[in-house]
Amino acid sequence: AQTVTQSQPEMSVQEAETVTLSCTYDTSESNYYLFWYKQPPSRQMILVIRQEAYKQQNATENRFSVNFQKAAKSFSLKISDSQLGDTAMYFCALSGGADGLTFGKGTHLIIQP
Amino acid sequence: DTGVSQNPRHKITKRGQNVTFRCDPISEHNRLYWYRQTLGQGPEFLTYFQNEAQLEKSRLLSDRFSAERPKGSFSTLEIQRTEQGDSAMYLCASSLPHQEGDTQYFGPGTRLTVL
Repeated sequence: AQTVTQSQPEMSVQEAETVTLSCTYDTSESNYYLFWYKQPPSRQMILVIRQEAYKQQNATENRFSVNFQKAAKSFSLKISDSQLGDTAMYFCALSGGADGLTFGKGTHLIIQP
Repeated sequence: DTGVSQNPRHKITKRGQNVTFRCDPISEHNRLYWYRQTLGQGPEFLTYFQNEAQLEKSRLLSDRFSAERPKGSFSTLEIQRTEQGDSAMYLCASSLPHQEGDTQYFGPGTRLTVL
């Protein structure tokens, strides 16, 4: 069975700061994808960034980047120049099996003005 | 390009009633997924379709839960004899396999409250 662990239930930073959200995972699949999704208070789940496990290069999307450590099964999300609109629940998710995505419990990120 | 849509957005029902939710995926996506999300938790996978075929349903929570996708387009999720423990957000997602890493795009969800 696949597992995803997010060990930070809540984080709070000041606007414009950089913040890193942690995620570890476990899977027996050799080919898989990792995702970070954002769920603002309106609750629509939005894709932030995607990483293919066979690619060594870390994915980046504007202010969002990941640190993918395959051997350590670690997949952290870095948000640079944080903005008030980044306030949301952030979920780490793993695909690769036949059972859809496996999600972590989420990290509630609060950006303070 | 419209996203995934779900109806209704909110449903309040009395215990013992049946409810049905609808999901319309992104038009070219042939995979459709259903998830349940309870407060403070990440989404939990329930079932998925490729076109009209339901390829995984062992994760449906009980035999009161069923899903259909009769023509490979929209899908419905039905809960029979609802219980208070069924209160949750029900999320639908769609994807196009072998493109974008089979990335799933989510709808806004249907919030179910069972009184």
